[in-house]
Amino acid sequence: GNSVTQMEGPVTLSEEAFLTINCTYTATGYPSLFWYVQYPGEGLQLLLKATKADDKGSNKGFEATYRKETTSFHLEKGSVQVSDSAVYFCALHPNTGNQFYFGTGTSLTVIP
Amino acid sequence: GAGVSQSPSNKVTEKGKDVELRCDPISGHTALYWYRQRLGQGLEFLIYFQGNSAPDKSGLPSDRFSAERTGESVSTLTIQRTQQEDSAVYLCASSYGGAKNQPQHFGDGTRLSIL
Repeated sequence: GNSVTQMEGPVTLSEEAFLTINCTYTATGYPSLFWYVQYPGEGLQLLLKATKADDKGSNKGFEATYRKETTSFHLEKGSVQVSDSAVYFCALHPNTGNQFYFGTGTSLTVIP
Repeated sequence: GAGVSQSPSNKVTEKGKDVELRCDPISGHTALYWYRQRLGQGLEFLIYFQGNSAPDKSGLPSDRFSAERTGESVSTLTIQRTQQEDSAVYLCASSYGGAKNQPQHFGDGTRLSIL
């Protein structure tokens, strides 16, 4: 079946530290992969996406590369800011069917 | 343009009562999704609409849950005889066409508390 496994949080980093949030998936074929972010008190919003193997999604300094060989889509940022504090969700949409599958979310807190 | 709108934003009700949650998707988005997010957990898929039809109801947790969509627009999620375990944030999302490369746009959710 289809599923997403995310690194468990919470994650606490100092400002300007390097961030990695791991995400691996199980799916048949070539799903589309997404990272969503939920800032405190706000709804989920799309952060970045990749629709085929080796694609790199990027936005707001965040990047994630679609790795078919390792079935991974790890989120990275070189230098986090306090304003990046949020919950991050990895998600996939498989080749067939209508459902999106979400990970359980990883809470990130960045301290000054 | 307007995003996905959900109402009410908060709902507190007594166990055993029925509740109705509303979602207004982005205009022109044919795909609409409902999710449940319990405290500290991920998103749990409930139901998907393509137009007014619901080809995938596999996530509805029990027959107390139902949903409908009219005019390829507004959707309502109804929970009958609410139980305390129904307490959660209910999220609605819409997307253009529902294709796999189309991201979802989420509303701010309805926070449901069952006393």
